[in-house]
Amino acid sequence: AQKITQTQPGMFVQEKEAVTLDCTYDTSDQSYGLFWYKQPSSGEMIFLIYQGSYDEQNATEGRYSLNFQKARKSANLVISASQLGDSAMYFCARGNTGNQFYFGTGTSLTVIP
Amino acid sequence: KAGVTQTPRYLIKTRGQQVTLSCSPISGHRSVSWYQQTPGQGLQFLFEYFSETQRNKGNFPGRFSGRQFSNSRSEMNVSTLELGDSALYLCASSELGQGSTGELFFGEGSRLTVL
Repeated sequence: AQKITQTQPGMFVQEKEAVTLDCTYDTSDQSYGLFWYKQPSSGEMIFLIYQGSYDEQNATEGRYSLNFQKARKSANLVISASQLGDSAMYFCARGNTGNQFYFGTGTSLTVIP
Repeated sequence: KAGVTQTPRYLIKTRGQQVTLSCSPISGHRSVSWYQQTPGQGLQFLFEYFSETQRNKGNFPGRFSGRQFSNSRSEMNVSTLELGDSALYLCASSELGQGSTGELFFGEGSRLTVL
């Protein structure tokens, strides 16, 4: 199975606070990539961050960081210093050969002023 | 660089009709993939094209088809539309070159409503 699980349908965070969005995945592959995407109400999927399965360091991109725990098969997204513009749907995804990505069901994040 | 461009952005069709959606990838990207997004099923992979060849196909009926042209532009077609085909159809392109992490770059999508 190539399942991606996001157990938080909705999350709220106060502006300027940090928030963690959970993601677990299921794979028997040794080499794989994990991605997080943001989808605002406009519909476009915006790439946020990537973690390779062999990367020893957790990925970081500005205010985004990925808490990668390979043994637990989890790849949680941490957003620091939340901003109102961070309100959106967030999807965790696993890349596969032939660019067949498997996506989780998403987490709706609302940033409260 | 221009991003991924999808046309049309919105369209309304009736059951039984067919529809063609277009996608222009980022310049230099040779891989184009398509996804269907619905509230009930989430994001589901339709197919992926690389250098005009379909490399991978998701679990969709034969009514869903696609193609890629020599300039990497891609089209997908849905024939004999059903109400359940109402969805946001997202196109994504990828570089897949050396050093690339393989991330997908998405367009804004084509929102199809079937009445």
